[in-house]
Amino acid sequence: AQSVTQLGSHVSVSEGALVLLRCNYSSSVPPYLFWYVQYPNQGLQLLLKYTSAATLVKGINGFEAEFKKSETSFHLTKPSAHMSDAAEYFCAVSGSGGYNKLIFGAGTRLAVHP
Amino acid sequence: DGGITQSPKYLFRKEGQNVTLSCEQNLNHDAMYWYRQDPGQGLRLIYYSQIVNDFQKGDIAEGYSVSREKKESFPLTVTSAQKNPTAFYLCASRDLTGNSGNTIYFGEGSWLTVV
Repeated sequence: AQSVTQLGSHVSVSEGALVLLRCNYSSSVPPYLFWYVQYPNQGLQLLLKYTSAATLVKGINGFEAEFKKSETSFHLTKPSAHMSDAAEYFCAVSGSGGYNKLIFGAGTRLAVHP
Repeated sequence: DGGITQSPKYLFRKEGQNVTLSCEQNLNHDAMYWYRQDPGQGLRLIYYSQIVNDFQKGDIAEGYSVSREKKESFPLTVTSAQKNPTAFYLCASRDLTGNSGNTIYFGEGSWLTVV
């Protein structure tokens, strides 16, 4: 069985500050891990994904995430927040096989203030 | 451009009526999914299909039905049996050949409101 826990349903940062969104997963098989971003009234856009290659994954818009197997974590970071980063972020886990379902966390809403 | 098209974007339904949400993809993906999104609850899987003429129930299938007669189409019907259908519905697809690293791609979503 697989599950995802996102710590903190709301995170608020100042513009220019570090963004850290936390994600812990549980998986009985080697996981594939994803971060998606959702802007209001829109679908989900893939930010980055881990598929058993490099443990530090770089994504779009300056985001990156590090897969830490010992901590079962896949936290999302960005060195300097921009106002346009305000959105909801979802972490998701899947088994490595294509027929595995994608399980989502509850989401973290990021607010960026001037 | 390749992608997933959902329609309509906004839909209002009277209680007791069935309504169908359309989802079309031109990505040549085998798998398609329907998710429901409610505030603070993330995404919950309603139905998914990995091949034409076959589909499986997800975690919250009650009150919903689907069909998969063509590879590119996966319509979702919200029936009158669904007790609380007001939500944001997201369609998605996935390449099962592994070429895109098992990434699921999403449409823009459809808002359904029961009045």
